Amino acid sequence: DAKTTQPPSMDCAEGRAANLPCNHSTISGNEYVYWYRQIHSQGPQYIIHGLKNNETNEMASLIITEDRKSSTLILPHATLRDTAVYYCIVRVPQETSGSRLTFGEGTQLTVNP
Amino acid sequence: DSGVTQTPKHLITATGQRVTLRCSPRSGDLSVYWYQQSLDQGLQFLIQYYNGEERAKGNILERFSAQQFPDLHSELNLSSLELGDSALYFCASSVYGVGANVLTFGAGSRLTVL
Repeated sequence: DAKTTQPPSMDCAEGRAANLPCNHSTISGNEYVYWYRQIHSQGPQYIIHGLKNNETNEMASLIITEDRKSSTLILPHATLRDTAVYYCIVRVPQETSGSRLTFGEGTQLTVNP
Repeated sequence: DSGVTQTPKHLITATGQRVTLRCSPRSGDLSVYWYQQSLDQGLQFLIQYYNGEERAKGNILERFSAQQFPDLHSELNLSSLELGDSALYFCASSVYGVGANVLTFGAGSRLTVL
């Protein structure tokens, strides 16, 4: 898996967009970027993933730079419930039976009222 | 409700004892994963099963064992428990195919060893 680097913590005001960066400069051509989050002591939750095109779902948007060396997860209107640790993971998706995902330290996002 | 069911939610036991944690994956998911989360260590991958077969192993202690049954539920057995085994244990499941790295996690089993 490519190594990822995330800031340890970030703050965001409620109602504003939260932009969480992830650096993955050693990413290879067939590796996807996955984002998960973990609200305190709950099970981690899948958010979104992508290869090279920007992706959007009901939870968030994922912007991947053209060289694919970094990405940004965007929560468009952060709420207090979005306070969590956010994990960026780079992984090959072609293992059809699945395999371990390695969770690093992630970014602690705190949404303030 | 994620669709992944873990029991028990909480478990308190003594050192030296043995416990079994149970996981029912989301309907249709063939892969089951176990993760351990201690206060000071983050999420650690333990083991993965796919359709009854062990597929990947992490830093799982020899005192721990797991299996996946024909009905696809999985059990994690922890024996000769030590204080340091106190942690949250999460089970996750995923589908077969290109979505295999999209894991759905359960709510976890909190184990306290006294």
